[in-house]
Amino acid sequence: DSGVTQTPKHLITATGQRVTLRCSPRSGDLSVYWYQQSLDQGLQFLIQYYNGEERAKGNILERFSAQQFPDLHSELNLSSLELGDSALYFCASGEAGGRAEQFFGPGTRLTVL
Amino acid sequence: TQLLEQSPQFLSIQEGENLTVYCNSSSVFSSLQWYRQEPGEGPVLLVTVVTGGEVKKLKRLTFQFGDARKDSSLHITAAQPGDTGLYLCAGVLSGGSNYKLTFGKGTLLTVNP
Repeated sequence: DSGVTQTPKHLITATGQRVTLRCSPRSGDLSVYWYQQSLDQGLQFLIQYYNGEERAKGNILERFSAQQFPDLHSELNLSSLELGDSALYFCASGEAGGRAEQFFGPGTRLTVL
Repeated sequence: TQLLEQSPQFLSIQEGENLTVYCNSSSVFSSLQWYRQEPGEGPVLLVTVVTGGEVKKLKRLTFQFGDARKDSSLHITAAQPGDTGLYLCAGVLSGGSNYKLTFGKGTLLTVNP
């Protein structure tokens, strides 16, 4: 158990809809990272927050947004969903800087029908 | 183009065999990590290497960071079925943001009993 929690575990929705994925980091970690994993693209970095502020951005679509709240939990919002958005979405937490070691949650499997 | 190239992409071996998987790049990394991921779960951090030429051992797993910090290898001795999984390398680019990990696409290892 990494100490990172993610909800929901599975999510099935239709094209055009909007969903919110939630992540609680390990106790004491200020950084939260979001990743998308698909079979053809591998693990793709989306965005990172550190203590409530956006710190780094990766290949995140404009239809996607995230935020980190004062209690350090984070939410990833995916809107106008397309079939191609079906993937595993992982949240990781860790300390910023240094070795950048990250601890991953169990993921949310999103299926867009 | 993938910043971190992992090879082989797939590897299927018998229990008791030895194996080596590789993680190569033309870029220099300030640190490099290896993760193992089982189906439907999040990646689990195995090791972090930070010094060129560094060798770390974790039971039957030996990790090496190249002298120039551009490549790494993972050697497993006497593989067991429990070693089955997706092995991912990830690095922090030297001189880049300390907060962003770049992942390879992974080596999918199957150890048959």
